Amino acid sequence: GIQVEQSPPDLILQEGANSTLRCNFSDSVNNLQWFHQNPWGQLINLFYIPSGTKQNGRLSATTVATERYSLLYISSSQTTDSGVYFCAVDSSYKLIFGSGTRLLVRP
Amino acid sequence: DAGVTQSPTHLIKTRGQQVTLRCSPKSGHDTVSWYQQALGQGPQFIFQYYEEEERQRGNFPDRFSGHQFPNYSSELNVNALLLGDSALYLCASSLDVNYGYTFGSGTRLTVV
Repeated sequence: GIQVEQSPPDLILQEGANSTLRCNFSDSVNNLQWFHQNPWGQLINLFYIPSGTKQNGRLSATTVATERYSLLYISSSQTTDSGVYFCAVDSSYKLIFGSGTRLLVRP
Repeated sequence: DAGVTQSPTHLIKTRGQQVTLRCSPKSGHDTVSWYQQALGQGPQFIFQYYEEEERQRGNFPDRFSGHQFPNYSSELNVNALLLGDSALYLCASSLDVNYGYTFGSGTRLTVV
């Protein structure tokens, strides 16, 4: 089956810093989503991005489907950005998740 | 516009018991998927329901079963609970795979 790898596994930032999270996947996919899981467990959809680039405020994402990777950029990080970021790819009606990047933003 | 709602939020069960978790999809969505998330891991796909039928299933034993109702809501049933079934159970709904999935807040199940 499709493998999804995320890096780095852990990231600690000072408030105001920028960061880039990476997601590699092993085969062609129909869909790719980035999620932020808050401390209460809810998965918040950040981007639906099977290809191309999208931006939403301080966050942006780029997926290069032909090279099987996606990047999530966080600029001017805030303490509320802390949590786990998951990349997930859609294959045959199921989402396959990576193991996540755990982000801690310190004030 | 209500998002995906799940109930209950927390549940404690004893080994060997049975449990039923419930999910109401986001308004306008017709497809419901269930995921299990163990502590410190990414969610794992259990199954997906569309038009009241199981359309796709992950690598979970038959103790895990589900149902989708005509109003698109869904239930996840787990029989003969094991300690290893303790996890966060997430429900996701969608209208079409090309528009992505929306997740609920989850049900945290503890088996003792």
